[in-house]
Amino acid sequence: GAVVSQHPSRVICKSGTSVKIECRSLDFQATTMFWYRQFPKQSLMLMATSNEGSKATYEQGVEKDKFLINHASLTLSTLTVTSAHPEDSSFYICSVWTGGYTEAFFGQGTRLTVV
Amino acid sequence: KNEVEQSPQNLTAQEGEFITINCSYSVGISALHWLQQHPGGGIVSLFMLSSGKKKHGRLIATINIQEKHSSLHITASHPRDSAVYICAVYPNTGNQFYFGTGTSLTVIP
Repeated sequence: GAVVSQHPSRVICKSGTSVKIECRSLDFQATTMFWYRQFPKQSLMLMATSNEGSKATYEQGVEKDKFLINHASLTLSTLTVTSAHPEDSSFYICSVWTGGYTEAFFGQGTRLTVV
Repeated sequence: KNEVEQSPQNLTAQEGEFITINCSYSVGISALHWLQQHPGGGIVSLFMLSSGKKKHGRLIATINIQEKHSSLHITASHPRDSAVYICAVYPNTGNQFYFGTGTSLTVIP
């Protein structure tokens, strides 16, 4: 099955700076990757669907100018949190679903802390 | 209202106990996944179900499509089973998964 590698696993940044999170599909060509956000004790919340070679599709309420997604190749999608603020502190996780919905593979997640 | 409800939210068990986690959903689905999230945050998919029952080692997952309900059972629980278990459904009419809030399981030696 697909292996999804996410980097970094933890990052601490200063308020106002930008942070890039990488999600790589190591052995599967992923035309679509998904970015989720998870607050403590809450569900995974879909932020956006990353589409290779085209613009990402953002969920309602997610600021596309703040959470920049680039899916330049079939194996790499990046999420950049721009001008980060403490309220952006959260757990971000990417995933690849193969066969439409039959198999799910997740990155290790990135714990972002904005100070 | 969340499309996916899980119970219980928290569960503490003694090693060796039989554990059941429940998931109810409100939409017609094409598939249901049971996911395991470890304390570090990493998530793995345990099962994908569209009907019936699946078994993998000490884990058993069942689904009743008519009742819109699924259960995850762990037999002979072990401390290494301690994790958050998440139910995720893929609706018939949709293109994204809906997730439950998870069940936090702690197995005490």
